[in-house]
Amino acid sequence: SQKIEQNSEALNIQEGKTATLTCNYTNYSPAYLQWYRQDPGRGPVFLLLIRENEKEKRKERLKVTFDTTLKQSLFHITASQPADSATYLCALRIGRGSTLGRLYFGRGTQLTVWP
Amino acid sequence: GAVVSQHPSWVICKSGTSVKIECRSLDFQATTMFWYRQFPKQSLMLMATSNEGSKATYEQGVEKDKFLINHASLTLSTLTVTSAHPEDSSFYICSAGLAGGGTGELFFGEGSRLTVL
Repeated sequence: SQKIEQNSEALNIQEGKTATLTCNYTNYSPAYLQWYRQDPGRGPVFLLLIRENEKEKRKERLKVTFDTTLKQSLFHITASQPADSATYLCALRIGRGSTLGRLYFGRGTQLTVWP
Repeated sequence: GAVVSQHPSWVICKSGTSVKIECRSLDFQATTMFWYRQFPKQSLMLMATSNEGSKATYEQGVEKDKFLINHASLTLSTLTVTSAHPEDSSFYICSAGLAGGGTGELFFGEGSRLTVL
């Protein structure tokens, strides 16, 4: 069966440290992978997208890597802040064609950054 | 970014009644919208793809007659939970994207929490 796994349900780190979240998948060949942030009771908010032919993407304090051989993506938040506390979801776009398509989500990792 | 609005944000209903949830793209036209359901501490589960002017495409295991989707205009899709039961209680979220490529990101509504008594 097809699976998207995020390394842990919860991650607690101290402010200023780098948070690293993992997304592993099996039996997929995604065209691209996205990361979203979700706050309690709210809809997800898009953060970053990385395509299958890209190794790394950066946006401000965020960095995403994508290893299609390992079937893994790593999501890093550097110089983390308490405001970064949220659930982070990885999502895979399966199939080709238009970039607008169905996404399949992992369960998410709840990140808590403490002062 | 583009804005997607959902209404109502929460609803409580009696078992056996039907509930309609609206999803609107406020500043862009969305030929395609997606409906997700999320249970506590679970991932977002794609329920269906809503296509403007045509029938929705449902994911495996999602009952078409239970979850009616109508996408009558380029800015509005509705999800109707028919004859709702307590097991239908969940967080329903819609999303839409900008066609024509770009980042491929989806813009999500704020979600609608349904509680069936």
